[in-house]
Amino acid sequence: TQLLEQSPQFLSIQEGENLTVYCNSSSVFSSLQWYRQEPGEGPVLLVTVVTGGEVKKLKRLTFQFGDARKDSSLHITAAQPGDTGLYLCAGAHNNAGNMLTFGGGTRLMVKP
Amino acid sequence: GAVVSQHPSRVICKSGTSVKIECRSLDFQATTMFWYRQFPKKSLMLMATSNEGSKATYEQGVEKDKFLINHASLTLSTLTVTSAHPEDSSFYICSARDSAPYEQYFGPGTRLTVT
Repeated sequence: TQLLEQSPQFLSIQEGENLTVYCNSSSVFSSLQWYRQEPGEGPVLLVTVVTGGEVKKLKRLTFQFGDARKDSSLHITAAQPGDTGLYLCAGAHNNAGNMLTFGGGTRLMVKP
Repeated sequence: GAVVSQHPSRVICKSGTSVKIECRSLDFQATTMFWYRQFPKKSLMLMATSNEGSKATYEQGVEKDKFLINHASLTLSTLTVTSAHPEDSSFYICSARDSAPYEQYFGPGTRLTVT
């Protein structure tokens, strides 16, 4: 079983603050996805990173894939209450039929 | 992005009955779909991989006779929870993979409550 450790598990911050969520593994992934999930709904894909060292930006969200493709981070600038939700990272392995291994999730609460 | 639907979104059934959940890819063909289970405030747990036209591949610890999966077409996979018990109550989510090799798109989930 390839583990994907996500931290922190829970984060409560004030509106306007910055935050970073980390996903770490000892395994190399062919790609890594970040999802956001709201209560009672399915996860929504935010971004896919494929190349080691890749950085992708989505408005106030910055995603980075580690050079060795074993880790990734999500940085949110000036968080807003609408960012509240469960953030999930998921790594894919080419040699495992591209099944996803999910991190444990980070539950983010942004207070107004 | 690609759209995946699930039906029903919420179901309550009595212990001992069976419940069928449908997962459809609406705007793309999916040779592979996945079924997950999610407990409150937890991450997703993969139950099985559903392949069109062949038998599903179940993860360790998932009873294939209890969770029947059928992937009869490129746009539809079904999960049937047979002889449901209260401990089967959970949030079940499907996903489908399109032609891009890495990305999965998730359905909105089905909340199953067994009384």
